[in-house]
Amino acid sequence: DVKVTQSSRYLVKRTGEKVFLECVQDMDHENMFWYRQDPGLGLRLIYFSYDVKMKEKGDIPEGYSVSREKKERFSLILESASTNQTSMYLCASRTVSNQPQHFGDGTRLSIL
Amino acid sequence: DQQVKQNSPSLSVQEGRISILNCDYTNSMFDYFLWYKKYPAEGPTFLISISSIKDKNEDGRFTVFLNKSAKHLSLHIVPSQPGDSAVYFCAAISANFGNEKLTFGTGTRLTIIP
Repeated sequence: DVKVTQSSRYLVKRTGEKVFLECVQDMDHENMFWYRQDPGLGLRLIYFSYDVKMKEKGDIPEGYSVSREKKERFSLILESASTNQTSMYLCASRTVSNQPQHFGDGTRLSIL
Repeated sequence: DQQVKQNSPSLSVQEGRISILNCDYTNSMFDYFLWYKKYPAEGPTFLISISSIKDKNEDGRFTVFLNKSAKHLSLHIVPSQPGDSAVYFCAAISANFGNEKLTFGTGTRLTIIP
């Protein structure tokens, strides 16, 4: 069965901190994604990666960076956290073909 | 610019009746569409998809209809069950992006009334 694991369900950080959100998938998927979900805005793509060490900007990359050193792990980094980055963050993975993305359960991040 | 729109933020349906969730899109390059279901405190789970070469796809109680000329798709759930209460997102993929990028709608919260 497909498994996408996000390291934290809830996280509270302070403004200006550097924040790491980790995501691991066990399906050997090539593509991995980071989204944020906000009320009334749906899911918005932050960054995605189609292979190890590859990354592409999504729709809202500002204030974020990513790292993919191993195929199974995709990290989202908030370089200097701000209150407008308080959100639900969702990681997903998929194969390269026209297959659905599989999501983790999300990390609810609060920036104080 | 919202390329995938779900104009109804919420919908309430009696148990046993049909639930119809709607989605409109503006980008004519979208060629593959998906519906996801999301419960609170969980990630979205894939429900059903449809390619632009089809106008209907059915899977058990779930049917997705695609009207390309109107740039409109809908998800029908029949009969509706209490466990169907969730937020439903439609999503679209454009061939231009090599099938890698999903564009999501804003979601519709479906409540099934027992």
